[in-house]
Amino acid sequence: DVVMTQTPPSLSVAIGQSVSISCKSSQSLVHSDGKTYLNWLLQNPGQSPKRLIYQVSNLGSGVPDRFSGTGSEKDFTLKISRVEAEDLGVYHCVQATHVPYTFGAGTKLELK
Amino acid sequence: QVQLKESGPGLVQPSQTLSLTCTVSGFSLTSYNVHWVRQPPGKGLEWMGRMRYNGDTSYNSALKSRLSISRDTSKNQVFLKMNSLQTDDTGTYYCTMLWFAYWGQGTLVTVSS
Repeated sequence: DVVMTQTPPSLSVAIGQSVSISCKSSQSLVHSDGKTYLNWLLQNPGQSPKRLIYQVSNLGSGVPDRFSGTGSEKDFTLKISRVEAEDLGVYHCVQATHVPYTFGAGTKLELK
Repeated sequence: QVQLKESGPGLVQPSQTLSLTCTVSGFSLTSYNVHWVRQPPGKGLEWMGRMRYNGDTSYNSALKSRLSISRDTSKNQVFLKMNSLQTDDTGTYYCTMLWFAYWGQGTLVTVSS
């Protein structure tokens, strides 16, 4: 199974600050169809996850452009510019290239 | 619009079988895959398996021996059955689709005697 190593496990930020979260996979996430199925999700407290980014860098519907995703092969990054209060929660990366799909352990974003 | 809703018993006894239903609307099960994902309290997400649009299934290798996913397209429902439940199967169970774009609200399952 593909192991997703997500860092850091937690982040303490001030509103307006920018932050980055890393996700590294144990295998390349390039699918045989040429696409890279790496997604980023945000789970606000007590809520279901919400997809932010799909296929590395594509913004999900209704997601503010403060969020951006970059990376390739085995190394991926989610950047949040100008953190707002609604961004607090747990961020998850998930690969959907290889079955079984696998998640990172999560990064908890908290207010400083 | 697309909606998914999980339902099932909130409490299951150890060694018993869990049966959950994901009822969907706004799309056809014969056009999109539906996945099951679970989350133990305070922990991360775990992909359990999927029902593909064509009726094929795939499972997490760690759960494969205990898990079965099926569907009834006429009722727009996807089912999860998992046997030999233990306390560490306690958690919130979600169904999701379209590359995790849509999620149900989740259903909490507690395994306890």
